[in-house]
Amino acid sequence: DTGVSQDPRHKITKRGQNVTFRCDPISEHNRLYWYRQTLGQGPEFLTYFQNEAQLEKSRLLSDRFSAERPKGSFSTLEIQRTEQGDSAMYLCASSLVGLGHQETQYFGPGTRLLVL
Amino acid sequence: QKEVEQNSGPLSVPEGAIASLNCTYSDRGSQSFFWYRQYSGKSPELIMFIYSNGDKEDGRFTAQLNKASQYVSLLIRDSQPSDSATYLCAVNRDTGGFKTIFGAGTRLFVKA
Repeated sequence: DTGVSQDPRHKITKRGQNVTFRCDPISEHNRLYWYRQTLGQGPEFLTYFQNEAQLEKSRLLSDRFSAERPKGSFSTLEIQRTEQGDSAMYLCASSLVGLGHQETQYFGPGTRLLVL
Repeated sequence: QKEVEQNSGPLSVPEGAIASLNCTYSDRGSQSFFWYRQYSGKSPELIMFIYSNGDKEDGRFTAQLNKASQYVSLLIRDSQPSDSATYLCAVNRDTGGFKTIFGAGTRLFVKA
């Protein structure tokens, strides 16, 4: 396993369209995070999963955003009715948490979204 | 006050010098601390993590943590032009709920 992968790497869409991104974590990792990053800022937390359970969602995550991790492996992030303000890099990270493990997150390459 | 604060820079150092990057955090419940390097247009790459007060060295990198002062730093010795990037400080809160807060990053330029 070579690390976290994300698909697509780039997405250009028109305002009002729906988009879906996929993240495949490192295979043995049980935790998966979604972040959004805009120019000049650090990653902002959106949501995270422990196995298949979505444990927390940021207040930043409007009802147009939804994420799933149906079998505790890959995850999808969907944005409905996209707005120009959604243009950003969407980052996925995974980690292994448990006894004897201090959590360390490893990032995927990101999906760059441009909403026209 | 931001939860994790970093000087945005840019910090410019000559090749071979020591680069010193600083980060302060507001939540005393924070327990683990991370430094990520991010090249322009790329995703963050983990450089170091530190959990205990004091210094932790890994090659040319040294992380320093002072929980009493709520301060964490990263020293890069023998800086190289390839070290030019944005360095992100990240802090994990282990008090339940959302865990990781990132600073906005410090841009480092190493001049050849």
